[in-house]
Amino acid sequence: GQSLEQPSEVTAVEGAIVQINCTYQTSGFYGLSWYQQHDGGAPTFLSYNALDGLEETGRFSSFLSRSDSYGYLLLQELQMKDSASYFCAVRAYTGGFKTIFGAGTRLFVKA
Amino acid sequence: DGGITQSPKYLFRKEGQNVTLSCEQNLNHDAMYWYRQDPGQGLRLIYYSQIVNDFQKGDIAEGYSVSREKKESFPLTVTSAQKNPTAFYLCASTSGQGETNEQFFGPGTRLTVL
Repeated sequence: GQSLEQPSEVTAVEGAIVQINCTYQTSGFYGLSWYQQHDGGAPTFLSYNALDGLEETGRFSSFLSRSDSYGYLLLQELQMKDSASYFCAVRAYTGGFKTIFGAGTRLFVKA
Repeated sequence: DGGITQSPKYLFRKEGQNVTLSCEQNLNHDAMYWYRQDPGQGLRLIYYSQIVNDFQKGDIAEGYSVSREKKESFPLTVTSAQKNPTAFYLCASTSGQGETNEQFFGPGTRLTVL
């Protein structure tokens, strides 16, 4: 089967750095994506990792280790507007391409 | 501006009634998806379509139906067979090109069955 695990909640202070982890079990793994969703809104794409290593996009970075079936999203210089839910999502091929989403991590940024 | 539109934003229906949620995209994307999101939960795939006139069941297709007669449109019908239809429904599309398979989401429809 396919499964993803990520923490349900994380709290951090403004200006800090926070890491949201994601472990997955899946066959036909192609890559790991991260999405941000504010309350009542639609998810928006943040990053995608197909190969091992760190991808940096501004204040956000994403890491993947295929051998460990593990990835993380790193948010630096946290701002209040970063308070949102963050979902990891696996792209896998099982007779066709599918994207499976984790349950999400709710990030609370405090002043 | 290119994007995905869903209508309506809020929808109320009586139990036992079928209801159709609209999803339109002008991104010229081949693939379209329907997800269901319950409070505090991730996104669960209902149906997806890679090309016009073809679609496949996702993980929770029971009680739902779709059609893909045009590239731009992928309506979802929530039938009376769906036991617990109250949820937030999200439509998404991807170009099918490129490495990231970035999914573009519509604003969602919040369905409440009374």
